[in-house]
Amino acid sequence: KQEVTQIPAALSVPEGENLVLNCSFTDSAIYNLQWFRQDPGKGLTSLLLIQSSQREQTSGRLNASLDKSSGRSTLYIAASQPGDSATYLCAVPANQAGTALIFGKGTTLSVSS
Amino acid sequence: KAGVTQTPRYLIKTRGQQVTLSCSPISGHRSVSWYQQTPGQGLQFLFEYFSETQRNKGNFPGRFSGRQFSNSRSEMNVSTLELGDSALYLCASSSGTSGSFHEQFFGPGTRLTVL
Repeated sequence: KQEVTQIPAALSVPEGENLVLNCSFTDSAIYNLQWFRQDPGKGLTSLLLIQSSQREQTSGRLNASLDKSSGRSTLYIAASQPGDSATYLCAVPANQAGTALIFGKGTTLSVSS
Repeated sequence: KAGVTQTPRYLIKTRGQQVTLSCSPISGHRSVSWYQQTPGQGLQFLFEYFSETQRNKGNFPGRFSGRQFSNSRSEMNVSTLELGDSALYLCASSSGTSGSFHEQFFGPGTRLTVL
């Protein structure tokens, strides 16, 4: 049974720092991996989707990598800003349609100015 | 393109009542999935509908049900509400075509409080 883990559960950094969020999964036979951002009490915003055949994806200051063999993905945030403060979640689908996502518990990031 | 919309945004019910939540997916998307988010359990998959048929189901009791209409809009129903059903209910839409591994796009959620 696939399990997704995110460590640390919370992270506090000063503005401008580069940081890495970690996501691990127990079954390496994944179809893709998606990173989301969630602001308090709000829905999820999709940040990056990495297909199983890819090693990384970039969007602006965000870079996500995927290593299926080790069951790990990292989300790198460059030059963090207070507006980056949110909970970051990673998820993998349970089927080939990319649905029925299995989520980690998330990392809550706080960036202070 | 309009995003995923969910109504209502907030609901307060009492134990034993039933509730219906609605989700309109992104235009052209045929898959709608529902998730429950609680502080203790995190985000858990409820079920997915694709072309009006339930295609996948999570591990929730039969009190949780759903349906999808021909325009891809979906509703989920919870009967005989319990205090533990208090949660943020999120729906997500995608093209849902098998093998295409498309992104899931989420709505703002419906906050359900059971008293």
